[in-house]
Amino acid sequence: AQRVTQPEKLLSVFKGAPVELKCNYSYSGSPELFWYVQYSRQRLQLLLRHISRESIKGFTADLNKGETSFHLKKPFAQEEDSAMYYCALSGRSGSARQLTFGSGTQLTVLP
Amino acid sequence: GAVVSQHPSWVICKSGTSVKIECRSLDFQATTMFWYRQFPKQSLMLMATSNEGSKATYEQGVEKDKFLINHASLTLSTLTVTSAHPEDSSFYICSARRGPDEQYFGPGTRLTVT
Repeated sequence: AQRVTQPEKLLSVFKGAPVELKCNYSYSGSPELFWYVQYSRQRLQLLLRHISRESIKGFTADLNKGETSFHLKKPFAQEEDSAMYYCALSGRSGSARQLTFGSGTQLTVLP
Repeated sequence: GAVVSQHPSWVICKSGTSVKIECRSLDFQATTMFWYRQFPKQSLMLMATSNEGSKATYEQGVEKDKFLINHASLTLSTLTVTSAHPEDSSFYICSARRGPDEQYFGPGTRLTVT
């Protein structure tokens, strides 16, 4: 079974402060991890994936297989980063690959 | 970009009636689409995987006869909530897969059953 845990439902930081959204996963195979973001009144959209090893909107995430974590980080948070963030794992269930989502973290960046 | 649409964006229906929700991939073909359900302030829960030309695969606990899925073409999947009840009220989101691990999400459909 695959599981994704986001321990923080709510996270508030001040503008310019560093931010880290935690994500831990459980999966027996080789996982593919993603971060999705949902801005207010908008659809869910992909923020980044671990295989790309890229930085999007200043966010980065490193897959740590030893700690089974995929925390999302940004050194200087901006007000426009306020949104709901979901960590997701793509793994096989039967013959299909499926996304399993964490419960989400609502990030609020205060002015 | 890859765009996925859903129709309707919101619907109110009476208890006992059926409601159909459409999910379309507008600029790409998707052999696989997914249907999720999201309760307020909760995460997305996968309901079923919809495969073009074959039967949908339902997650444990999801009633196949209640949530009918038809993936008739490479750009359209439909979810029909049959004999809807108030507890079926929720936000239903579809996604379409392009490539092995790229999923693009629709804007969601708010269903309210009175």
